[in-house]
Amino acid sequence: QKEVEQDPGPLSVPEGAIVSLNCTYSNSAFQYFMWYRQYSRKGPELLMYTYSSGNKEDGRFTAQVDKSSKYISLFIRDSQPSDSATYLCAIGQGAQKLVFGQGTRLTINP
Amino acid sequence: SAVISQKPSRDICQRGTSLTIQCQVDSQVTMMFWYRQQPGQSLTLIATANQGSEATYESGFVIDKFPISRPNLTFSTLTVSNMSPEDSSIYLCSVAQELNSPLHFGNGTRLTVT
Repeated sequence: QKEVEQDPGPLSVPEGAIVSLNCTYSNSAFQYFMWYRQYSRKGPELLMYTYSSGNKEDGRFTAQVDKSSKYISLFIRDSQPSDSATYLCAIGQGAQKLVFGQGTRLTINP
Repeated sequence: SAVISQKPSRDICQRGTSLTIQCQVDSQVTMMFWYRQQPGQSLTLIATANQGSEATYESGFVIDKFPISRPNLTFSTLTVSNMSPEDSSIYLCSVAQELNSPLHFGNGTRLTVT
């Protein structure tokens, strides 16, 4: 079993839809939960960063952590074509010792 | 966050040769790392670049194949030595301002080995 599992997609939704992206992990010691967005031919860009548990909201983006289920989610509300990218979850015991998911390729159709 | 510049952005190299990738940050950072991103796969940490001392390599990566330098708090290089087609990948520099602050990435070097 991989330490971090992420459905690679691809995921295609219409503009304005709510998008849900998810990862599961196996190590209960993980405390740092990140979401990165990666546009084609660019490096990953930090989108959301959560330490320990709970929810975090930033504009149209909400990150949720459920440590009891070892499950994290990223929700995108009112999705826009500019949200089309690959989304990577990254989880670890430290903010720098991260295990990355495979990435979910998301396309928002106008 | 820090601005991270990587050079070259892409290269096509012959097998058996070596390529050195540079990473320059516009401000001093405590932590610098090198990652590899193979097509369709997740990011894999190659090593932590330590200022003034030998890099710390992850399992499966060795200094002879991936020598790393970090002469100061804003600059690091990764060399991919004696390249083979299996080394074709994107190599990413990442930095963190301090311990347990989040990672930020450069735009990567897209390497093709023929």
